[in-house]
Amino acid sequence: DAGVTQSPTHLIKTRGQHVTLRCSPISGHKSVSWYQQVLGQGPQFIFQYYEKEERGRGNFPDRFSARQFPNYSSELNVNALLLGDSALYLCASSLLGTHTDTQYFGPGTRLTVL
Amino acid sequence: QKEVEQNSGPLSVPEGAIASLNCTYSDRGSQSFFWYRQYSGKSPELIMSIYSNGDKEDGRFTAQLNKASQYVSLLIRDSQPSDSATYLCAVITGGGNKLTFGTGTQLKVEL
Repeated sequence: DAGVTQSPTHLIKTRGQHVTLRCSPISGHKSVSWYQQVLGQGPQFIFQYYEKEERGRGNFPDRFSARQFPNYSSELNVNALLLGDSALYLCASSLLGTHTDTQYFGPGTRLTVL
Repeated sequence: QKEVEQNSGPLSVPEGAIASLNCTYSDRGSQSFFWYRQYSGKSPELIMSIYSNGDKEDGRFTAQLNKASQYVSLLIRDSQPSDSATYLCAVITGGGNKLTFGTGTQLKVEL
């Protein structure tokens, strides 16, 4: 079975632009979470979606938004990009999104904001 | 106080030795605990999960949880150079599956 896939792999944007990152979960998984990892830090939670509903939101500004589609894939949108948004964006999928579910991470999208 | 704390390292151990990685967490209501391994430039990969006090063994890896002390550890026996990576401790508190990560401990296994 294919693992979690993310696109694009790398992205370079300039300040003020908008970006959309995409994630396809493992087949059968209904929950998708997004994390931001800056260099030298652990991943930081941004959003969790389960069955197209937002289940959790981390401490990120409203410039960050996400959604989950009927096929359980997900998009993360970031508006008005700042230099500080440069990071590795990770998508993780799990079966039901509960606290005992294993989360499997995709390869990530490396975003560079110039 | 950080929610999940780890020593950033690097922790250097000789090949074949036991590597001991430690993590403390601040929320007593935390219920699920995970160790992820992350190679440079790659995404995190689950090594172990543990939910109740005590030890859990899987091959060369043993996770230990002490909820009273709010402490979780990972032991790696017979360390190999391929174990050289950053080890992330993560905790889930409350509903959902929001992982709160530590900053990670860099492990170097030397020949």
